Amino acid sequence: DTAVSQTPKYLVTQMGNDKSIKCEQNLGHDTMYWYKQDSKKFLKIMFSYNNKELIINETVPNRFSPKSPDKAHLNLHINSLELGDSAVYFCASSQEGGGGPRNEQFFGPGTRLTVL
Amino acid sequence: AQSVAQPEDQVNVAEGNPLTVKCTYSVSGNPYLFWYVQYPNRGLQFLLKYITGDNLVKGSYGFEAEFNKSQTSFHLKKPSALVSDSSLYFCAVRQGDSSYKLIFGSGTRLLVRP
Repeated sequence: DTAVSQTPKYLVTQMGNDKSIKCEQNLGHDTMYWYKQDSKKFLKIMFSYNNKELIINETVPNRFSPKSPDKAHLNLHINSLELGDSAVYFCASSQEGGGGPRNEQFFGPGTRLTVL
Repeated sequence: AQSVAQPEDQVNVAEGNPLTVKCTYSVSGNPYLFWYVQYPNRGLQFLLKYITGDNLVKGSYGFEAEFNKSQTSFHLKKPSALVSDSSLYFCAVRQGDSSYKLIFGSGTRLLVRP
């Protein structure tokens, strides 16, 4: 069984379009994350939700909007796509509980977004 | 500000030899340190972490890492490399209990030749 899944795996779209990437985890974790990995493999945190509450909101364009309908899902919606949005987007989850964040994150397989 | 440095873009080692992938960090307060591996076209997989306790941490696939507070380092090691260890390795740091944010290094590609 896949622990953290993302759909779609590949996304090719035109500039200006709006697209969404979905993420689901079946690990029962309380915290979920979105990362962006650029062409040089550099990984950067974008957003994080803990128990459906937004706790990390990095400096990303407001065209990017996360939505967490429940603790098992964290979706990423991107408006007005630009060439520079082309990257691999990873979802991750961890179980942090009430003792502060100290646990490892489990990553999904990634979504490769190509904007033409 | 938190930061992680992986000074080597690539590490080459012969199969059967020991390997070391270097990582140094900068964080105020106690660091929580992690190593992940990324296989081609896949997400990251957790290898090991240091939170507190013994400075030598053992993890998956025979990897271990040593936390050195004075040198602010957390180098990844393995006594005997396998060709299948060839992949991209990331070091990451969190700022103790106060931050959910995981800061990643730039990655080091490990190439183990037969």
